[in-house]
Amino acid sequence: DIVMTQTPLSSPVTLGQPASISCRSSQSLVHSDGNTYLSWLQQRPGQPPRLLIYKISSRFSGVPDRFSGSGAGTDFTLKISRVEAEDVGVYYCMQGTQIPWTFGQGTKVEIK
Amino acid sequence: QVQLVESGGGLVKPGGSLRLSCAASGFTFSDYYMSWIRQAPGKGLEWVSYISSSGSTTYYADSVKGRFTISRDNAKNSLFLQMNSLRAEDTAVYYCARCGHYYYNYMDVWGKGTTVTVSS
Repeated sequence: DIVMTQTPLSSPVTLGQPASISCRSSQSLVHSDGNTYLSWLQQRPGQPPRLLIYKISSRFSGVPDRFSGSGAGTDFTLKISRVEAEDVGVYYCMQGTQIPWTFGQGTKVEIK
Repeated sequence: QVQLVESGGGLVKPGGSLRLSCAASGFTFSDYYMSWIRQAPGKGLEWVSYISSSGSTTYYADSVKGRFTISRDNAKNSLFLQMNSLRAEDTAVYYCARCGHYYYNYMDVWGKGTTVTVSS
């Protein structure tokens, strides 16, 4: 199975400041079709997960442009350009390249 | 609007069975792969299973293989998860999710979840 490792596990940030989460996979996420199926999800307290980013850097419909994804191969990053109060929650990376699909442990973003 | 509503969760004894349902609306259900994901109390997300749009292809996590069966009824816009031989470690919130349209290898819409508790 592909192991997804996120850092940090907790990220206290100041409102209006940027935040960055790293996700590393135990093997390349490049699929045989040439695509890289790395997505990012946000889970606010008491809510179901919500898709933010898919295929490394494609922002899902309705997601604010302060969220961006980047990376390649085995190393990926989610950036929030200016953190707002509504961004508090746990963020997960997920790989859909190889069965079983696997998630990172989650990174808790909280306001300082 | 696009909506997924899970039902069928509850308290069941170890070794028991439960059937989860997910009612889809607001999109052409038969065009999409669908998936189940679970989250144990206070823990992260675990992918459980997915099914192709026609229902002909299914995959499972090793932790549930041979015990859980995913299925769908496209005429009724419904997704199911039959869970047998339940164990305490199956206790979780179970989410139904729609997979992406052109690329199915991610989940773009999630339901609110249904809680399954396995306990004697």
